[in-house]
Amino acid sequence: GQNIDQPTEMTATEGAIVQINCTYQTSGFNGLFWYQQHAGEAPTFLSYNVLDGLEEKGRFSSFLSRSKGYSYLLLKELQMKDSASYLCAVRPWDRDDKIIFGKGTRLHILP
Amino acid sequence: EAGVAQSPRYKIIEKRQSVAFWCNPISGHATLYWYQQILGQGPKLLIQFQNNGVVDDSQLPKDRFSAERLKGVDSTLKIQPAKLEDSAVYLCASSLRGHEQFFGPGTRLTVL
Repeated sequence: GQNIDQPTEMTATEGAIVQINCTYQTSGFNGLFWYQQHAGEAPTFLSYNVLDGLEEKGRFSSFLSRSKGYSYLLLKELQMKDSASYLCAVRPWDRDDKIIFGKGTRLHILP
Repeated sequence: EAGVAQSPRYKIIEKRQSVAFWCNPISGHATLYWYQQILGQGPKLLIQFQNNGVVDDSQLPKDRFSAERLKGVDSTLKIQPAKLEDSAVYLCASSLRGHEQFFGPGTRLTVL
């Protein structure tokens, strides 16, 4: 079966750092995506991890541990515009480009 | 580069009526996806096309939902007849093989 878990909601303060965790159990694994989705808008791509380790892209970093079925998205120097849902998604198979989304984590940024 | 286009952006219908959504993917993207996103949930894949062939429609409620992608470019998703639980945002996405998916703005459907 496929199971992707992430917290439903998180709150953080402007200027701070927040880590959003994602654990997954899927029938196969060929990569993990993080998407950002502002309320009422479409998801937009943030990162894609295939190998273990940390990938840094500006204020956002994504980490993957394949052996633990675990990933996190790290957001630094939080800004009010970072208030959004963050979706963890797994590509279980390599053959068909399908990805399975978690339910998303709604992040609230307080001034 | 133009993004994924969808129309309409909003639609309100009564239950048992029919509705259709249209999607135009990014030029050159062979793979097209339709997702259903219920409020507070992540997107759920309804159907995936590779060119004009169906790759996966295992979660498409085939008694009421249908989709086609004629000529391997534009796609339409139809619901007939609609139920209250079909109220959701319907997202279209496209991708090049092995790359990230690009999403359209979505169609917000309300069934009364």
